[in-house]
Amino acid sequence: ILNVEQSPQSLHVQEGDSTNFTCSFPSSNFYALHWYRWETAKSPEALFVMTLNGDEKKKGRISATLNTKEGYSYLYIKGSQPEDSATYLCASEYGNKLVFGAGTILRVKS
Amino acid sequence: DGGITQSPKYLFRKEGQNVTLSCEQNLNHDAMYWYRQDPGQGLRLIYYSQIVNDFQKGDIAEGYSVSREKKESFPLTVTSAQKNPTAFYLCASSNQPTRNTEAFFGQGTRLTVV
Repeated sequence: ILNVEQSPQSLHVQEGDSTNFTCSFPSSNFYALHWYRWETAKSPEALFVMTLNGDEKKKGRISATLNTKEGYSYLYIKGSQPEDSATYLCASEYGNKLVFGAGTILRVKS
Repeated sequence: DGGITQSPKYLFRKEGQNVTLSCEQNLNHDAMYWYRQDPGQGLRLIYYSQIVNDFQKGDIAEGYSVSREKKESFPLTVTSAQKNPTAFYLCASSNQPTRNTEAFFGQGTRLTVV
């Protein structure tokens, strides 16, 4: 079973703080790395899908980087807002399978 | 509106009974997936299907069965052989090929065995 790990497990920050999470994944047979945001009582929604080593993607205050050689990805949130509170999931794609990490729970206090 | 619909949202089952969770999508996606979430754990893959009339076991397929008779539908049956069925179940779909293509999720079904 392929193991995708995320850290930290949870994070509490103040409004305006910048923060980042890590996703580690096996780099052999890697196809793509996905990041999803999962808000309470909603469905997970895709933030980014990255495939190439060195990929950097940005959506508003959120950005992500990918290192396929060493098997990790970082998700950054600049100037956290209360509406950023959610569980952030990463998933690594191997063949036809998406393997998820356990997620990082972010709580932003105003 | 395009999307994935799971039903029911909450389901209670007596021990020893089989139960079927529904997942329907109108996104014209080829691939569909079933995941299970337990407290403190990530989404674990139960079964997935890349095309109609074909499906593969995921990491925790024991005690579950699926069918893919139509492109839009991928029902999951939790059988009495599943030793610990109480969990949150999520269905997802994506285009083929999956590389560089995001997955879309339903809202989930919470199954409780009573």
